[in-house]
Amino acid sequence: DQQVKQNSPSLSVQEGRISILNCDYTNSMFDYFLWYKKYPAEGPTFLISISSIKDKNEDGRFTVFLNKSAKHLSLHIVPSQPGDSAVYFCAAGDSNYQLIWGAGTKLIIKP
Amino acid sequence: SQTIHQWPATLVQPVGSPLSLECTVEGTSNPNLYWYRQAAGRGLQLLFYSVGIGQISSEVPQNLSASRPQDRQFILSSKKLLLSDSGFYLCAWSITTGVDQPQHFGDGTRLSIL
Repeated sequence: DQQVKQNSPSLSVQEGRISILNCDYTNSMFDYFLWYKKYPAEGPTFLISISSIKDKNEDGRFTVFLNKSAKHLSLHIVPSQPGDSAVYFCAAGDSNYQLIWGAGTKLIIKP
Repeated sequence: SQTIHQWPATLVQPVGSPLSLECTVEGTSNPNLYWYRQAAGRGLQLLFYSVGIGQISSEVPQNLSASRPQDRQFILSSKKLLLSDSGFYLCAWSITTGVDQPQHFGDGTRLSIL
């Protein structure tokens, strides 16, 4: 049973446009969400996070939105750059459990 | 600054052979350490975590074991590898076990079992 789902295995976006990566979860007890970015042959690196007490967190070109009623979060990248091409993982957890990870979405930024 | 080293980067092993993957962290003391596995098309699955020397928690029953002989050393082992042990193994560290603490990953080991 996948508690964290990234339903799009891949996404292709034109350079300069907005990239929107989506993540859905089923466990209403999750209260913290993180996005990680992974390049080939490297480990994931932390990108941005959000607590369930917020509905938006912004860091430069990256913004994460949380819709608790829909159990949905999204990562927006504006504007998209070639270096953003990578696999993006969302992860969720609560104070009693380790992180549960999605399967990842491969983002391809086209020049 | 903190760094995490994980080796080897790739490994090909026959079924039934033993396994030892090593992970070391530099630049921090008493880190929380983690071993994950990523199967093809799946998310990261937590295998083991450790909050201190000799303290290992297992998240899933499996053919693998972990040990933490030193503060900044975490080892993943198996006595006899199975075909199902193939995958991408990642070591990570964090300051605490709280989910609000980002985990910092090594570059992973691609393990292929023949």
